[in-house]
Amino acid sequence: GNSVTQMEGPVTLSEEAFLTINCTYTATGYPSLFWYVQYPGEGLQLLLKATKADDKGSNKGFEATYRKETTSFHLEKGSVQVSDSAVYFCALSVVDYGQNFVFGPGTRLSVLP
Amino acid sequence: SQTIHQWPATLVQPVGSPLSLECTVEGTSNPNLYWYRQAAGRGLQLLFYSVGIGQISSEVPQNLSASRPQDRQFILSSKKLLLSDSGFYLCAWSVTSGRVETQYFGPGTRLLVL
Repeated sequence: GNSVTQMEGPVTLSEEAFLTINCTYTATGYPSLFWYVQYPGEGLQLLLKATKADDKGSNKGFEATYRKETTSFHLEKGSVQVSDSAVYFCALSVVDYGQNFVFGPGTRLSVLP
Repeated sequence: SQTIHQWPATLVQPVGSPLSLECTVEGTSNPNLYWYRQAAGRGLQLLFYSVGIGQISSEVPQNLSASRPQDRQFILSSKKLLLSDSGFYLCAWSVTSGRVETQYFGPGTRLLVL
């Protein structure tokens, strides 16, 4: 079956530090990959996505590259801000039949001033 | 543009009382619709999804039910709430373009069962 694994949190960083949140996946077929962000008390927002191998999704300074050879989609940001404190979810989608949208468990990020 | 609404935003209910949470989507037609639950500090648990009016698939057996009376309306219900039903309930809709399905989430309803 399809699954997503994320690094355990919480992750605590100082402002302007470099961020990496690891995500690996297992999928039948050819998935699309996503990162969602959830700020405290809010719903999930789509942060970025990539739909084929070697695609790079980017938004708000965050980037992730679809690596088929390592089945990974790691999230990176060069310089985090306090406002980036949130929970980040990696997800995959395989359009086939039935429900094929799978989320990882989420990684909580805290950025300290 | 598409928007998704959920109400109420917050709800406090006694154990054994009924529940009705509503989700509506604007700006699209025939969306796939989803209900998720998120316990405090936890990930997402898919409860129900629907690919069309009257078509509901349940992912987790429990005392909750879902209905889709109109194309862009998705309702989560319970006849008798349990303490364990407390959580953050998220509605989502999705659009498929080619072989890419993308989900978009509503603002959520926080439910506290006492």
